[in-house]
Amino acid sequence: DVKVTQSSRYLVKRTGEKVFLECVQDMDHENMFWYRQDPGLGLRLIYFSYDVKMKEKGDIPEGYSVSREKKERFSLILESASTNQTSMYLCASRSRLGSSYNEQFFGPGTRLTVL
Amino acid sequence: KNEVEQSPQNLTAQEGEFITINCSYSVGISALHWLQQHPGGGIVSLFMLSSGKKKHGRLIATINIQEKHSSLHITASHPRDSAVYICAASNTGNQFYFGTGTSLTVIP
Repeated sequence: DVKVTQSSRYLVKRTGEKVFLECVQDMDHENMFWYRQDPGLGLRLIYFSYDVKMKEKGDIPEGYSVSREKKERFSLILESASTNQTSMYLCASRSRLGSSYNEQFFGPGTRLTVL
Repeated sequence: KNEVEQSPQNLTAQEGEFITINCSYSVGISALHWLQQHPGGGIVSLFMLSSGKKKHGRLIATINIQEKHSSLHITASHPRDSAVYICAASNTGNQFYFGTGTSLTVIP
């Protein structure tokens, strides 16, 4: 059974704190993604990675950075959390094989509140 | 601009009703995805299709490539079908375009 896990389901942080969100997949997928989901806006891509140490900016990278040191792990970092980063964060992974038609597998999400 | 538009945004149905959720897209795609998100956040993939029609249990997904339109149908709806349904279009790269979702509530 394929699995994408995220380090926390709920997280409360203070403005200015550095926040780490971890995502691990056990499917040996090359591609990993970080999204945020806000009411009325749907899922928006923050960053994605297509290989170890490789990353590309998505639609809303400002205020975020990422790290991919191992194939199975993709971390999202909020360097200095702000209240407008309060959101649901979803990680996903996808195989590159036959890549055009492969689905994404999502983690359970982390609901982050920044006070 | 929204590359993927869904309708309706919210839908309430009585148990047993036939439900249709619509999705229109404006970009070239290699596949169209229907996703389900239950309260609590996790998203699961229901269908991935590039042409025609797929069926899984009481769920049916169709796509019309010429009209750039897809529909998700639920037959004999049940309260456990209550969830947010998300349409997404993917292209040959790693780009996914997501609709904003349809929140479905099925009342017993």
